[in-house]
Amino acid sequence: GENVEQHPSTLSVQEGDSAVIKCTYSDSASNYFPWYKQELGKRPQLIIDIRSNVGEKKDQRIAVTLNKTAKHFSLHITETQPEDSAVYFCAARYNAGNMLTFGGGTRLMVKP
Amino acid sequence: GAGVSQSPSNKVTEKGKDVELRCDPISGHTALYWYRQSLGQGLEFLIYFQGNSAPDKSGLPSDRFSAERTGGSVSTLTIQRTQQEDSAVYLCASSPGPGNTEAFFGQGTRLTVV
Repeated sequence: GENVEQHPSTLSVQEGDSAVIKCTYSDSASNYFPWYKQELGKRPQLIIDIRSNVGEKKDQRIAVTLNKTAKHFSLHITETQPEDSAVYFCAARYNAGNMLTFGGGTRLMVKP
Repeated sequence: GAGVSQSPSNKVTEKGKDVELRCDPISGHTALYWYRQSLGQGLEFLIYFQGNSAPDKSGLPSDRFSAERTGGSVSTLTIQRTQQEDSAVYLCASSPGPGNTEAFFGQGTRLTVV
């Protein structure tokens, strides 16, 4: 099955700085890579996703990059704001089915 | 409803009792997932349904855990003879089905075993 590793487990940045979270996956057949944000006490919510036929995707201050050869993908948040503070999860899904495997999560803290 | 609904939202039970957690997925979603999240931890996969069948039950922690889905819709997760280590938030998610599409999460059931 798929195995997803996520780093770092915690990340502290100053407001306005950029934050980068990295994930690696094991199954080369994986072709869908979503990122979820979970605020304290709330459910995880999708913030951006990327499919394997695309190398990069941007949505305002958030971008995701995918390197299929190296089997890693990253979340980039620019101009961080205190409301970006949350736990972020990456995930991978492989073509054989709909099984969604999550990374261990990154707790991002943005200091005002 | 518009989203994934889970009930109850909170459950306190005595050690040794059985509990049933319910998930109502978004109408028409064929894929359904159960995850467990301990305080401050990640998302631990439990089981995944495609329709009424469960292609992957590998995440169920022990034989005290079981899950079923009927009519391709509602799913129940049953924990028998609950233990204190079962205390966690149990999250359900659904997605439309075959293909690479977004999974939507419910608000979770916070289970406390005392």
